[in-house]
Amino acid sequence: QKEVEQNSGPLSVPEGAIASLNCTYSDRVSQSFFWYRQYSGKSPELIMSIYSNGDKEDGRFTAQLNKASQYVSLLIRDSQPSDSATYLCAVFDYKLSFGAGTTVTVRA
Amino acid sequence: GAGVSQSPSNKVTEKGKDVELRCDPISGHTALYWYRQSLGQGLEFLIYFQGNSAPDKSGLPSDRFSAERTGGSVSTLTIQRTQQEDSAVYLCASSLGGVEEQYFGPGTRLTVT
Repeated sequence: QKEVEQNSGPLSVPEGAIASLNCTYSDRVSQSFFWYRQYSGKSPELIMSIYSNGDKEDGRFTAQLNKASQYVSLLIRDSQPSDSATYLCAVFDYKLSFGAGTTVTVRA
Repeated sequence: GAGVSQSPSNKVTEKGKDVELRCDPISGHTALYWYRQSLGQGLEFLIYFQGNSAPDKSGLPSDRFSAERTGGSVSTLTIQRTQQEDSAVYLCASSLGGVEEQYFGPGTRLTVT
């Protein structure tokens, strides 16, 4: 079983819609969770970090964490074409373990 | 401020040659990580430095790979006797340490011919 699993993509959403990305992890002791955005040919860019159960909002992004269910998600509200990228879920346990990523395409 | 920098941005080498990849972390960051991303593959952890402690080398794929970090700052990843399967983007990240956010450099694209 992979340590970090993300919902399979690609995910295509119309401009202005909500994109919902899901991630589950296997290590119960993990304490830190991150979402990275990676444009094609570029390195990962940190967009959200979350450490406690519940929701964390930053602009159009909302991260949700449920440690009991070992689940973390990312919502992108009012999706824009510039949000088209691969989104990587990462779980920290002295190193980052990454999911395979979900590719999001926002249709204009 | 300045982010993580890496050099070279691209490296083409012949099979069997040695290569050195350099990473300069964000000033003040004590933790430094190397990852590898192969075409169509996920990010793979290679090695981790925290301050002056011995590095965690558990992710290095073979003994052809080694890394050092001088003065708690700049790091060099060395691949000896390169093989075609070493072709990948090598990414360096740094953080304040512990569970803090990691910030990635632009990466070095290595192509072994």
